[in-house]
Amino acid sequence: AQSVTQPDIHITVSEGASLELRCNYSYGATPYLFWYVQSPGQGLQLLLKYFSGDTLVQGIKGFEAEFKRSQSSFNLRKPSVHWSDAAEYFCAVSTSVTYNYFFGFGTRLKVLA
Amino acid sequence: DTAVSQTPKYLVTQMGNDKSIKCEQNLGHDTMYWYKQDSKKFLKIMFSYNNKELIINETVPNRFSPKSPDKAHLNLHINSLELGDSAVYFCASSQDYPLLGLSSYEQYFGPGTRLTVT
Repeated sequence: AQSVTQPDIHITVSEGASLELRCNYSYGATPYLFWYVQSPGQGLQLLLKYFSGDTLVQGIKGFEAEFKRSQSSFNLRKPSVHWSDAAEYFCAVSTSVTYNYFFGFGTRLKVLA
Repeated sequence: DTAVSQTPKYLVTQMGNDKSIKCEQNLGHDTMYWYKQDSKKFLKIMFSYNNKELIINETVPNRFSPKSPDKAHLNLHINSLELGDSAVYFCASSQDYPLLGLSSYEQYFGPGTRLTVT
């Protein structure tokens, strides 16, 4: 069965510092991987996605993520965090077989001024 | 133009009542979904519809019934509401590419409906 694990429930960083949010997945074949961001009181917005090809993918708002098959990971990174990045971040995995989506429990990012 | 819209944004009701949440997408997508987000922010898929056909139906109570009058709409009807139904419900849609063997392409989410059952 497919699953997604986000090991960090909360992360706090200072504005301007670098950020890495971890995501590990469990799936037998090549997964489709996504990162979404949810601002307070809002719906989810797609940051980036990986289907195939280059394992380093660029997204919106200066985010990037790297797919590492050997580690079953798809970590999200940003070189310099802005206060407006404070939000909940969700990693998700989908498959090519079924219309199904699995989300991690999310990581809440707090940014200190 | 709002891509995925939901109404109402807030819904407060008493136990035992029946309520509906409406969802519309103007993206021309083939598949629509309903998710429940609990107080701990966990997102669980409840239903998905593709071309008016239910594709998956997670183990949700049969008090919940999705209804899709057309490809652009997927409404959620809930009978006999219970306290545990209190949550934020999100509608989403996606475009699938069967010829490429891709499904569950990235999803576009609505703003959510916060349901409170008292």
